[in-house]
Amino acid sequence: QKEVEQNSGPLSVPEGAIASLNCTYSDRGSQSFFWYRQYSGKSPELIMFIYSNGDKEDGRFTAQLNKASQYVSLLIRDSQPSDSATYLCAVIGSGGYNKLIFGAGTRLAVHP
Amino acid sequence: EPEVTQTPSHQVTQMGQEVILRCVPISNHLYFYWYRQILGQKVEFLVSFYNNEISEKSEIFDDQFSVERPDGSNFTLKIRSTKLEDSAMYFCASKPGGKETQYFGPGTRLLVL
Repeated sequence: QKEVEQNSGPLSVPEGAIASLNCTYSDRGSQSFFWYRQYSGKSPELIMFIYSNGDKEDGRFTAQLNKASQYVSLLIRDSQPSDSATYLCAVIGSGGYNKLIFGAGTRLAVHP
Repeated sequence: EPEVTQTPSHQVTQMGQEVILRCVPISNHLYFYWYRQILGQKVEFLVSFYNNEISEKSEIFDDQFSVERPDGSNFTLKIRSTKLEDSAMYFCASKPGGKETQYFGPGTRLLVL
C-alpha cells in the first residue's frame, strides 16, 4: 500500500514567521511531488510541484525534496493569517496513470 | 484563466437513488480524474480517464460507479444506487498531455440520507 504521511497538526505560527510542513512517502519509485492548499469546504489548490532533489522556490514558498530519505517539505516564509488552511502533500507513485496519492494534510494556523 | 467546473455544487439524495455528478474539464486537457473526500478524511483517488476509456480505478470504484464523456466537454460520474457511505465531497480534476499537474474543480458535496 503506497502511503503519504503528514503530521495532522495544528501547526500554529505567529504572523511573519516561517511555517515548516513535512511529508514522507513510502513508494521509493515516486517521481513527482505536489503541495496543495485546501481551505475548509473547498477544493485543493496547487501551490507548488517538485520533481528533483533539492529546493525549489516560488515567492514565499519553498519546496524541498530528498528522495533518499523519501521526504518532501514546504516552507512558507512571512506567514500571513490568510495562509491558515490545510496543506496537502500529494505524490504520483510509480506505475499507473498519474493518480495522486494524498496525505491527510497538516492544518496550519497563523495567528496575528 | 480556464477552470474546471462542476455541477451541482450540492446534491442531497435518498439511499438507493442514482446520482450523476457533472464536470467540465479545462478545454485542452486530455486526462480526467474523479477523487472523493469524506468529511475529515484524506482525498482519495477514484478513477482516471484517457482517450475515452478508464485508464485506472481504485478499489472504491466498484460496479456501482461509472464514468462517461458523453460529448467533447462534459465528464460525468454516475453512482447507480447510492449508499450512506457515499456521502462525501467529489472532486473532478483534469490535466493536459505532457504535464503532471492536475487542476481541481470546486467539488460537489453529496449527502445520502
